[in-house]
Amino acid sequence: LAKTTQPISMDSYEGQEVNITCSHNNIATNDYITWYQQFPSQGPRFIIQGYKTKVTNEVASLFIPADRKSSTLSLPRVSLSDTAVYYCLVAPMEYGNKLVFGAGTILRVKS
Amino acid sequence: EADIYQTPRYLVIGTGKKITLECSQTMGHDKMYWYQQDPGMELHLIHYSYGVNSTEKGDLSSESTVSRIRTEHFPLTLESARPSHTSQYLCASSEYIRTDTQYFGPGTRLTVL
Repeated sequence: LAKTTQPISMDSYEGQEVNITCSHNNIATNDYITWYQQFPSQGPRFIIQGYKTKVTNEVASLFIPADRKSSTLSLPRVSLSDTAVYYCLVAPMEYGNKLVFGAGTILRVKS
Repeated sequence: EADIYQTPRYLVIGTGKKITLECSQTMGHDKMYWYQQDPGMELHLIHYSYGVNSTEKGDLSSESTVSRIRTEHFPLTLESARPSHTSQYLCASSEYIRTDTQYFGPGTRLTVL
């Protein structure tokens, strides 16, 4: 499984756009990139997933450059409720796959 | 929104007790998982299942055991709880489809005195 590296923590203010970058230099051809969000005392929640270029949903955008060695989760106009831990995962989409959650990035949104 | 349930949400017990943490999902997902997470720390996979009668140990060694007799049910059992088992236990499930998104339950916070 590809190893991922993310910043330990980030601070932002309400209304700002937040970009969290994840490095995955040894990503494999059949690996997908997935981001999860976890609030205190809750289980992680799927945010977005992509393979290449850009993916956007109602919550976030995911930017993946052509070499796929990194990815950036973009949260538009964050609010206090976006304060959480964000995990970047890289894994193949195949039967029997196990996800490996790293330390994640603690995002603190301030007013 | 996925429906996956865990009971109890909080449990405080004494050393040596046998406990079972319940996890149920109503989506008909084949794959189910148990993770252990200490406060502020990473999630560690301790058990997973591909389907009925299938169970595998995860990356983190655990003294707990699991069973998968029904698709929707994946209980975790500790035969003799110890203070070192104090942690949060998270159950998840996923459908065997291309995206393989995991849906997590709310977790059980276990404290062993």
